[in-house]
Formats: sequence, C-alpha cells, structure tokens
Amino acid sequence: EAGVVQSPRYKIIEKKQPVAFWCNPISGHNTLYWYRQNLGQGPELLIRYENEEAVDDSQLPKDRFSAERLKGVDSTLKIQPAELGDSAVYLCASSLEGRETQYFGPGTRLLVL
Amino acid sequence: GQQVMQIPQYQHVQEGEDFTTYCNSSTTLSNIQWYKQRPGGHPVFLIQLVKSGEVKKQKRLTFQFGEAKKNSSLHITATQTTDVGTYFCAAYSSASKIIFGSGTRLSIRP
Repeated sequence: EAGVVQSPRYKIIEKKQPVAFWCNPISGHNTLYWYRQNLGQGPELLIRYENEEAVDDSQLPKDRFSAERLKGVDSTLKIQPAELGDSAVYLCASSLEGRETQYFGPGTRLLVL
Repeated sequence: GQQVMQIPQYQHVQEGEDFTTYCNSSTTLSNIQWYKQRPGGHPVFLIQLVKSGEVKKQKRLTFQFGEAKKNSSLHITATQTTDVGTYFCAAYSSASKIIFGSGTRLSIRP
C-alpha cells in the first residue's frame, strides 16, 4: 500500500514569492491534515479536511495561506506571498476518519530567503 | 484555549536506562496518540489511548492515560540505540481539536 505522497520534497524561494505544496493521501482515507513543523517543535495543525470539507482551519493564516481538496482526494496548500517566517517543514497526513491513526507523508522542507 | 505541555524537552540517557516522557493537557481529552519522529524523518504512529486509566504495552514501551484524561505518559524500559528520536503526544479534545506536544528528544549514549 502506497503511503502519503508529497511534492516537492524541498523548495527554496525568495520572500514575497508564491509557493504551493501538493499531497496525495492514502487511498480511501477521508481525513486529510496539513501541518507546519518548525525546527525543534511539534507539528502545528493548519487545516483538517473531512472529504472535501475543511472542518478545522482555525490555525490557518488566511491572509496568505489557502488550501483546497477538490474531489476529496488530493490537496494543495498555497502560500502567497511567502515570508521569512514561513520557513518550516510542511507535513501532510491522512487517516481513515477523524481521531484515527494519522499517516504522515515525508514533508516539504521550505526555505524562504 | 486548550494547551498541551510535554516534558522534558530533552533527555540523554545511557543505553539500558529507562526513559519517560509526560504529556499534560489543560482540558479533558477525548483521546491521545503518541508518535515517534526519527531525525530527518516524519512522525510515525505508536499508539492511541481512549479510556480513562488505560495502560497499553508494546514490548519495552508502556503508555498510560490518566484517570482524569488530562495527562499521559510514555515509558521505555532499558533503552536501545534504536529508540533515538523525538516522541510527541497528540491530544484530541472533545471538540475534535488536535494539538501536538512540543516533543521530548531522546538521545542515547552507547
């Protein structure tokens, strides 16, 4: 069984540029999560989807971050414009349902210069 | 709002010594999960605890959920070099909010 796929694995951009991350969850998983993990810290939930619906986006900085999960399968997280403080690892995870085991992808390491 | 504290932040032990990390929530939780993240890797699920006072074991790992469902612990007996990594708790509130602890980084002297 394929795991959670994320791309790109690494991204270096200059501040004020846009960037997008893509995630393909495990087949059949209804719940999809986007996290941001800063160095030495735990993952911080940005947004959680149940199928196509964003059920928790309370920690998503909506002035510059956006996300979508069309057709309830793969998802895209976008930052526009990026700031220096956005440098972090962006993790995608999926689970069969909410409160179930989360399976994490390898993450996208973003560096904003 | 809900807060989750995990202690200690770091622990450096001699191989063969025991290790414990604690996770404390400011509010009652519906369930809690534990994850392990190796250096350079991504979090990997270890266990989920749901019931008050629940204790689960996985070989040398023992997980506990407090009676009040506001705290949890992970204990490793006789650590091995393969146990190196950062251990995170993920706390689920009754409102389905998920908060990860800041993690405990375990390093081991062979």
